[in-house]
Amino acid sequence: GQNIDQPTEMTATEGAIVQINCTYQTSGFNGLFWYQQHAGEAPTFLSYNVLDGLEEKGRFSSFLSRSKGYSYLLLKELQMKDSASYLCAVRDEEDQAGTALIFGKGTTLSVSS
Amino acid sequence: GAVVSQHPSWVICKSGTSVKIECRSLDFQATTMFWYRQFPKQSLMLMATSNEGSKATYEQGVEKDKFLINHASLTLSTLTVTSAHPEDSSFYICSARDLNRGDTEAFFGQGTRLTVV
Repeated sequence: GQNIDQPTEMTATEGAIVQINCTYQTSGFNGLFWYQQHAGEAPTFLSYNVLDGLEEKGRFSSFLSRSKGYSYLLLKELQMKDSASYLCAVRDEEDQAGTALIFGKGTTLSVSS
Repeated sequence: GAVVSQHPSWVICKSGTSVKIECRSLDFQATTMFWYRQFPKQSLMLMATSNEGSKATYEQGVEKDKFLINHASLTLSTLTVTSAHPEDSSFYICSARDLNRGDTEAFFGQGTRLTVV
């Protein structure tokens, strides 16, 4: 079956660094995505990994290890506005238009001052 | 990035009535769109894959006669919740990809908060 696990909640303080882990077991693999979702809003795209290694984009970085079925999202210099839910998602089939993303339950990050 | 627009943003309806939600790709054509449902503090759960010009593909456990999907054009998919009940109250979100741009990520509509009273 398909399974994506990530911690339910995390807390951190402004200016700190936080790492949100995600492990997955899927029948196939064609990319791992991280989305940010504020309450009551649609998810917004943060990052995409399909090869092993680290992808850096400003304050956000994402890492993938396909052999371990593992990814993490690293957020640096945390700001209050980073308080949101972070969703790990996997596309498990070939890169076709008809392949949906499978989402984890999301990690709610609370940033305090 | 590509823009997906969803309407309405929120709707309150009486139990037993039907509600239609629209999902439009504003600057690209989408042969495939996806409908998700999200309950409070839960993940996005795929309901169905909407295919332009053909029948939608429903996930296991999703009633196709209750959640009617129509993808009549390359820029519009609609989800109709028929005979809505309070347990259908949820956050419904659509998404699509612009393959012509080579986009890998899916773009989401704003979501629709449905409350059935």
